[in-house]
Amino acid sequence: GDSVTQMEGPVTLSEEAFLTINCTYTATGYPSLFWYVQYPGEGLQLLLKATKADDKGSNKGFEATYRKETTSFHLEKGSVQVSDSAVYFCALRNTGGFKTIFGAGTRLFVKA
Amino acid sequence: DADVTQTPRNRITKTGKRIMLECSQTKGHDRMYWYRQDPGLGLQLIYYSFDVKDINKGEISDGYSVSRQAQAKFSLSLESAIPNQTALYFCATSRQGDEQFFGPGTRLTVL
Repeated sequence: GDSVTQMEGPVTLSEEAFLTINCTYTATGYPSLFWYVQYPGEGLQLLLKATKADDKGSNKGFEATYRKETTSFHLEKGSVQVSDSAVYFCALRNTGGFKTIFGAGTRLFVKA
Repeated sequence: DADVTQTPRNRITKTGKRIMLECSQTKGHDRMYWYRQDPGLGLQLIYYSFDVKDINKGEISDGYSVSRQAQAKFSLSLESAIPNQTALYFCATSRQGDEQFFGPGTRLTVL
């Protein structure tokens, strides 16, 4: 079945460091891919998405490119801030699908 | 005001008790979901509903039941709570083929 695998955390970075959180997926057909973010004490919220191969999603300085050849959707940010500390979830929804499959989440700590 | 609300936000209960968690939305979405979040396991789908007359089991429906009272309301019940149901529970909504919008979560502890 469909699945999402993302790097285990926690990831601890200093402010202004470069961030990469790896995400790979297994799916039939042509899934849409998402990154959600969960700040402490809150529900998940959509950070960015890409709906077809080679699309780049971007928001708040974060980017991820849909790579069909490597079945990956890695999240990157050039310079993280303390306020980026949160849990990040990679997710997919297959074509015509009704379910979103979530990865296990990666916790990010950013130190001042 | 929040688009997706959940009540209660926190609940402590005892083994064997019946518990209901409620979710309401003002987004006008037809699809609603209940997820459970455990540390290190991401989100697991409990039940989902595409409209008032459509209820479907997710990956981990055993021990849970749901009711879709209206397009805007979707309740989750634990008929007889057990300690391994201690978790964070999220309600979410969406339109067909679109992103999901999550409520703030209910932290449930079963003693």
